[in-house]
Amino acid sequence: EIVLTQSPGTLSLSPGERATLSCRASQSVRSDFLAWYQQKPGQPPRLLMYGASHRATGIPDRFSGSGSGTDFSLTISSRLEPEDFAVYYCQQYGGSPYTFGQGTKLEIK
Amino acid sequence: EVQLAESGGGLVQPGGSLRLSCVASGFTFEDYTFHWVRQAPGKGLEYVSGISWNGDTIGYADSVRGRFTISRDNAKSSLFLQMNSLRPEDTALYYCARDRIQWDPFNDASDMWGQGTMVTVS
Repeated sequence: EIVLTQSPGTLSLSPGERATLSCRASQSVRSDFLAWYQQKPGQPPRLLMYGASHRATGIPDRFSGSGSGTDFSLTISSRLEPEDFAVYYCQQYGGSPYTFGQGTKLEIK
Repeated sequence: EVQLAESGGGLVQPGGSLRLSCVASGFTFEDYTFHWVRQAPGKGLEYVSGISWNGDTIGYADSVRGRFTISRDNAKSSLFLQMNSLRPEDTALYYCARDRIQWDPFNDASDMWGQGTMVTVS
């Protein structure tokens, strides 16, 4: 099983700042099958990125993903909006079973 | 409307069983791979199980293998999770999730999620 470790656990930033979230895998993720999800309280997860760097339908371009192999990141550009404050999860779907990281909480400073 | 609707959750004693259902609407159910993902109260997401669009590929997390069984009924546009030998640590909100693209070989992210059904083992 591939273990995903996200850092930091909590990220405190102000609206308008830039956010960078990290996801590290215990072994290489096949074909960069790495996704990012956003979850707000009381809601199901929302797909942001797939294939490490491809934005899902309807996701604004202030979100970007990068990385390969074992190191991946999600960046929210220098335009953090109030609605971006949420919990973010990475998920690998290249190996069975799929696994999730433990999440990064992006909170308003 | 395109949606997934889970049901079947509830309160069950340790060692008991439950069967969760997820009914899909608004799209061609049989073309997609589906998964169950759970979230314990105040905790993160945990992958549970998945079944490919054609039923040929099934996967389980180590924590549920041998106790849970995933299945699908394309005629009823429904996904199921039979949960046996339930433990307190199985207490969670169980989400049904659909993969992004049709006919994918069990290698895709999930772009549609239901609201979840709560399972409490106590």
